[in-house]
Amino acid sequence: DVVMTQSPLSLSVTLGQPASISCRSSHSLVYVTGHTYLNWFLQRPGQSPRRLIYQVSNRDSGVPDRFSGSGSGTDFTLQIHRVEAEDVGTYYCMQGTHSPFSFGPGTKVDIK
Amino acid sequence: QGLLMQSGGGLVEPGGSLRLSCTASGFTFTDHYMSWFRQTPGKGPEFISYISQSGSDILYADSVTGRFTISRDNAKNSFHLQMNTLKIEDTAVYYCASEPRTGGHWGQGSLVTVSS
Repeated sequence: DVVMTQSPLSLSVTLGQPASISCRSSHSLVYVTGHTYLNWFLQRPGQSPRRLIYQVSNRDSGVPDRFSGSGSGTDFTLQIHRVEAEDVGTYYCMQGTHSPFSFGPGTKVDIK
Repeated sequence: QGLLMQSGGGLVEPGGSLRLSCTASGFTFTDHYMSWFRQTPGKGPEFISYISQSGSDILYADSVTGRFTISRDNAKNSFHLQMNTLKIEDTAVYYCASEPRTGGHWGQGSLVTVSS
């Protein structure tokens, strides 16, 4: 099974400052079709996960452009260019290339 | 905008059964694989099962194989998770989701508690 790791596991950020979360997979996430199924989610307390980024770098509709995703193979990054108060919560990376699909342990982001 | 509405869940004794349901709206249900995930406190979601558009392609996680059954009713834009022989370690919040490889839309979650 593919193991997903994230760093850091917690992050305290000043409003307006950038933040970056790293995600690594134990196997390459390039699928046979050439697509890379690495996705990013935000989960606020008591809520369902909400997808922000799919297939490495595609931002979902309604997601602010201060969020961006990058990476390839086994190394990926989510960047928040200027953190706002509504960005607090736990961020998860998830791989959908190899079944069983799997999530990272999460990165908890709060405001300093 | 796609929406998934869940029903079912609750408290059940070990060895018991429960059925979760998920009804889709706002997108073309028959175009999509659908899936179930579950999550325990402090951990990331765990993949449980997916089902293809026609129901011909089904996958289960090892932890639930032989006990859980996924199905769908395209005429009603809904799909289900029948959970049998429940164990204490199945206690979690269960989520339905579209497109298991990318997790596009998620339901609101259903708490399943297995306890005597």
